[in-house]
Amino acid sequence: DAGVTQSPTHLIKTRGQQVTLRCSPKSGHDTVSWYQQALGQGPQFIFQYYEEEERQRGNFPDRFSGHQFPNYSSELNVNALLLGDSALYLCASSSRGQGAYNEQFFGPGTRLTVL
Amino acid sequence: LAKTTQPISMDSYEGQEVNITCSHNNIATNDYITWYQQFPSQGPRFIIQGYKTKVTNEVASLFIPADRKSSTLSLPRVSLSDTAVYYCLVGAGGSQGNLIFGKGTKLSVKP
Repeated sequence: DAGVTQSPTHLIKTRGQQVTLRCSPKSGHDTVSWYQQALGQGPQFIFQYYEEEERQRGNFPDRFSGHQFPNYSSELNVNALLLGDSALYLCASSSRGQGAYNEQFFGPGTRLTVL
Repeated sequence: LAKTTQPISMDSYEGQEVNITCSHNNIATNDYITWYQQFPSQGPRFIIQGYKTKVTNEVASLFIPADRKSSTLSLPRVSLSDTAVYYCLVGAGGSQGNLIFGKGTKLSVKP
């Protein structure tokens, strides 16, 4: 079992550009959540996808958007990048109706640097 | 969702038992208490979860008093590899819902 995988590992962009991050959930999982983790802070919830629809959303602007594909993989898109978007972006997967409450499996993250 | 308060950092030595306490005065009736561990440049990893009294697994124990306004994560005989940030989370989350992380407790284990 490969667990949750994310690509790319690292990414450097300049202000104003757009970026797409990718996530493949753990085998058997159907729900994908995205988190942003700034240096020295805990992860902050961006949004969650289930059945190819955004089900929950945290306090992030519309510049942050996502997509879930029929195979449950997901993408996070960020438009008009700002310096403050520099962070570790984490993908987490889970299975609805299974496992303990609040148990999500996280990937290793994508380190985004905006210059 | 209930707010949590935990120490910013803790130091320990190899072989000692470490107890990290988390306060959650506004915990709701249907809230669970969950702890995650995070190593540098890695995603958080689920450690343990409980609702009341005591829960134990192969990694840790979780003690929850009757009023549930606090909880204590206990790590027996820590090793250098237990150096990490530990997060206490409280919430129902609607089963795999959004997780609300605080700043966590940075545990440093020394030889």
